[in-house]
Amino acid sequence: DSGVTQTPKHLITATGQRVTLRCSPRSGDLSVYWYQQSLDQGLQFLIQYYNGEERAKGNILERFSAQQFPDLHSELNLSSLELGDSALYFCASSTEPNGGGYTFGSGTRLTVV
Amino acid sequence: EDKVVQSPLSLVVHEGDTVTLNCSYEVTNFRSLLWYKQEKKAPTFLFMLTSSGIEKKSGRLSSILDKKELSSILNITATQTGDSAIYLCAAPFHQGAQKLVFGQGTRLTINP
Repeated sequence: DSGVTQTPKHLITATGQRVTLRCSPRSGDLSVYWYQQSLDQGLQFLIQYYNGEERAKGNILERFSAQQFPDLHSELNLSSLELGDSALYFCASSTEPNGGGYTFGSGTRLTVV
Repeated sequence: EDKVVQSPLSLVVHEGDTVTLNCSYEVTNFRSLLWYKQEKKAPTFLFMLTSSGIEKKSGRLSSILDKKELSSILNITATQTGDSAIYLCAAPFHQGAQKLVFGQGTRLTINP
């Protein structure tokens, strides 16, 4: 157990729907990072939060949004889902605002049908 | 644009063989290079390399960085079926935050 908890582990939903993925970082870690891993794209950075504030954005679609709450857990919201959004979504956490000591959660496998 | 490229993308060997995985990078303000092993789910950390020419070793795995060639290799000796996994290298990309830029990964399969 890495200490980073992601729920749910699996999610199957229809096109056009909206889902929320949840991540609880390792105890003491203030930074949360979201990554998307699809078969043909590898691991792609989506967004980072540090202590409740957005810190960096990657190639995150406008249909996707995230937030980090006062208890430091984070949620990634995916809306108007398309077949191409099917992927593994990983959350990682670290202690420092500049990363280092990344720890990944076990991921949420999203299947859009 | 910062990028990390791995080769080969796929490798199949027999148990007991030695393998070398390659990673090259083009990263602005390079600070470190990381190797991860990904089996069924989450990538797990293997090595962080910051200094050129200094080998990091953990059991049968070792890795070294060549800053002049902007590359790194990961060696696995006396491979076992449990080494079958995707091996990822990544470099932190700094722009006020440390996101990781990942290579495509090398899918290593060890046959008994």
